[in-house]
Amino acid sequence: KAGVTQTPRYLIKTRGQQVTLSCSPISGHRSVSWYQQTPGQGLQFLFEYFSETQRNKGNFPGRFSGRQFSNSRSEMNVSTLELGDSALYLCASSLRGLVADTQYFGPGTRLTVL
Amino acid sequence: DAKTTQPTSMDCAEGRAANLPCNHSTISGNEYVYWYRQIHSQGPQYIIHGLKNNETNEMASLIITEDRKSSTLILPHATLRDTAVYYCIVRVRDDYKLSFGAGTTVTVRA
Repeated sequence: KAGVTQTPRYLIKTRGQQVTLSCSPISGHRSVSWYQQTPGQGLQFLFEYFSETQRNKGNFPGRFSGRQFSNSRSEMNVSTLELGDSALYLCASSLRGLVADTQYFGPGTRLTVL
Repeated sequence: DAKTTQPTSMDCAEGRAANLPCNHSTISGNEYVYWYRQIHSQGPQYIIHGLKNNETNEMASLIITEDRKSSTLILPHATLRDTAVYYCIVRVRDDYKLSFGAGTTVTVRA
């Protein structure tokens, strides 16, 4: 079974621009979560989608948004990029997102904001 | 969420067992213990998880104390490729996220 895939793997943007990142979950997985990893803050939860609905959201500004499609693929969008948005963005999928369901991570998208 | 406490770092000799401790003294009965690891700049890799009983898979063993206040991840024969940051996470029922702490940086030396 193919793992979680994320595209693109690397991205360079300038302040003020917006960016869209994509995540394809493991086949059959319906829950997709997004995380941001920075050296200073570590791994932080952004949001989680299940059946095209956002079920849980972390403490991030409204510039960070996401969506999930009927095939469970997910995208996250960051608008009006700031230097501090430079990070590794990770996507994880699980069957239903429940506590006993293991989350499997993709390789991440490295975003650099100049 | 129950908080976890892990040592900041530890070294291990190649070929020897690596025992990674984790304290979670405030864990509740419906909370699972998960272990992930992250090799530099890659996505976290799932290792193992458990609720009450000890667990073993092809990667590692998880030993949970009877009172569930602590656990130990055991890598039976550490290799250089096991060098990574290891995260112990306590996950609450109906909580959809994983809450990562600082983890333990494990360095396997030849």
